[in-house]
Amino acid sequence: GAGVSQSPSNKVTEKGKDVELRCDPISGHTALYWYRQSLGQGLEFLIYFQGNSAPDKSGLPSDRFSAERTGGSVSTLTIQRTQQEDSAVYLCASSLVMVGDTQYFGPGTRLTVL
Amino acid sequence: QKEVEQNSGPLSVPEGAIASLNCTYSDRGSQSFFWYRQYSGKSPELIMFIYSNGDKEDGRFTAQLNKASQYVSLLIRDSQPSDSATYLCAVNGKKSNTGKLIFGQGTTLQVKP
Repeated sequence: GAGVSQSPSNKVTEKGKDVELRCDPISGHTALYWYRQSLGQGLEFLIYFQGNSAPDKSGLPSDRFSAERTGGSVSTLTIQRTQQEDSAVYLCASSLVMVGDTQYFGPGTRLTVL
Repeated sequence: QKEVEQNSGPLSVPEGAIASLNCTYSDRGSQSFFWYRQYSGKSPELIMFIYSNGDKEDGRFTAQLNKASQYVSLLIRDSQPSDSATYLCAVNGKKSNTGKLIFGQGTTLQVKP
């Protein structure tokens, strides 16, 4: 079946603008994760959704970042008033159900804030 | 101390040799361990996962886990130039009651023909 898809693949924006990044998980996967990877850095956890449970937002770096997941499927990560330090690759992953299940990553969205 | 530590490398091995990649973690209660491969400009792809102490083999890859030493490794036998990539160690810690993974910085592997 299809893997995790993300859009757009690339986004260039001006400082101060809002951006929305989209993730479509693998069909049947109930867990969805957002990570960020800055240049030369490892992956940094942002937020986790599991079914109808309250999301784990512990990794969001500031209140400018928010995410939602509609209908238990597609997720949108929103960054308000973007800053240059937000420039990174934003990766979405999904997994079946259980904690510890393998996470499969999408191709990522490369965000550049000018 | 970082939660998951890897030597950034680069680790350079000749074609056909064994590449040994190492990772240590700080959360003693960690339960799930993953190795991902990431080619430049691409997203991570799963190589192996391991949950129990000991070795787990899959083709040319062997993952080794030692919970007492808080150490997990990946061995790549008969290394090929196509194995040249960054290898990310990821851990799901007991402190986390969600599925979030803590990643190391990654080790860059170079396999020279």
